[in-house]
Amino acid sequence: ETGVTQSPTHLIKTRGQQVTLRCSSQSGHNTVSWYQQALGQGPQFIFQYYREEENGRGNFPPRFSGLQFPNYSSELNVNALELDDSALYLCASSFLGDTLGPDTQYFGPGTRLTVL
Amino acid sequence: LAKTTQPISMDSYEGQEVNITCSHNNIATNDYITWYQQFPSQGPRFIIQGYKTKVTNEVASLFIPADRKSSTLSLPRVSLSDTAVYYCLVVLKAAGNKLTFGGGTRVLVKP
Repeated sequence: ETGVTQSPTHLIKTRGQQVTLRCSSQSGHNTVSWYQQALGQGPQFIFQYYREEENGRGNFPPRFSGLQFPNYSSELNVNALELDDSALYLCASSFLGDTLGPDTQYFGPGTRLTVL
Repeated sequence: LAKTTQPISMDSYEGQEVNITCSHNNIATNDYITWYQQFPSQGPRFIIQGYKTKVTNEVASLFIPADRKSSTLSLPRVSLSDTAVYYCLVVLKAAGNKLTFGGGTRVLVKP
């Protein structure tokens, strides 16, 4: 177990609705990254949060937004849901410090979102 | 970002050693090589990470030749529970970089 938790486990929404997914990072980590994984594909980077600021973003539209809180937990918000947003949403936490080193990310179990 | 190439799938049998080779011809000086394992509908699980030569932990070994243009993940004596998708990634030695996943290698372990 990595210590990264996500909620809810599963979620069903309809087109046009909004959804909020939550992630608690592993103890000692200060960075949270979000990924979207469609069926049969590898995870795709959405964005990363570090010190409560967005610290990098992938090719996702602005209706995908996020927050990071002082305790390093994070939320992913998706507005105006589309059918193609149906996927497994993964949260990963890591520690970024002053010394250079690989950004080793540890993943949570994911939230399965189904858009009807 | 360095692109990785790995086989789409591999079959093996229980008790055998599985070796998955990943090509990363454009790896940069500050890149690390990282492998993840993923079961269906679960998050990827970190397996091993290395920069050069050989790294070994309790579940796998990672072999990296001197030119670092490829790497081989070695899973000793696999069991049925090792059936999963294995991803090879190149991770920049710097802060705040995204992980770029390819298609991974689907390993099927047969009894």
